[in-house]
Amino acid sequence: AQRVTQPEKLLSVFKGAPVELKCNYSYSGSPELFWYVQYSRQRLQLLLRHISRESIKGFTADLNKGETSFHLKKPFAQEEDSAMYYCALSALTRGNEKLTFGTGTRLTIIP
Amino acid sequence: DAGVTQSPTHLIKTRGQQVTLRCSPKSGHDTVSWYQQALGQGPQFIFQYYEEEERQRGNFPDRFSGHQFPNYSSELNVNALLLGDSALYLCASSWGTGYSNEQFFGPGTRLTVL
Repeated sequence: AQRVTQPEKLLSVFKGAPVELKCNYSYSGSPELFWYVQYSRQRLQLLLRHISRESIKGFTADLNKGETSFHLKKPFAQEEDSAMYYCALSALTRGNEKLTFGTGTRLTIIP
Repeated sequence: DAGVTQSPTHLIKTRGQQVTLRCSPKSGHDTVSWYQQALGQGPQFIFQYYEEEERQRGNFPDRFSGHQFPNYSSELNVNALLLGDSALYLCASSWGTGYSNEQFFGPGTRLTVL
């Protein structure tokens, strides 16, 4: 079974401070991990995914298979980063590519 | 391109009724996935349609059924509604079914069951 855990429902960070949103997963096979973001009054959208190894809007995430984690990080928070963030997992097996989401973390950047 | 569109925006039903939600995928996409998002929870996968067939299914009862049309649009049907079916229903489209194919989400349909 696939499971994604985001331990923090709410996270407040001062502007300019570092941000880390935690994500842990449980899956016996090889996973692909994603971060989705939902800004106020906008639809859910992909922020970044492990396979791309990209930095998007200053955010990065490293897959740690030993700790089964995929934490999202940004060195200097900006006010426009305030949003709801969801970590998601997909299996790397054909026919089982559904997305399993965590419960989300609401990030608030304090000016 | 308006992206993924869903209708209606909001819906109120009573227990035992049936409901149909509709989704039009982003232009060029052929795969539609449906998710249920209860209040305070992340989206939960219901099922996925590709080539007019259900390809994957999450842990939802048979009361939840769907359909995909030749133009790739899709419907989600829920029979014998329960109070617990109240949620935001999200549709997502992609090109193909693979994990590497980005899913684009619609704005959702808010279903309230009284």
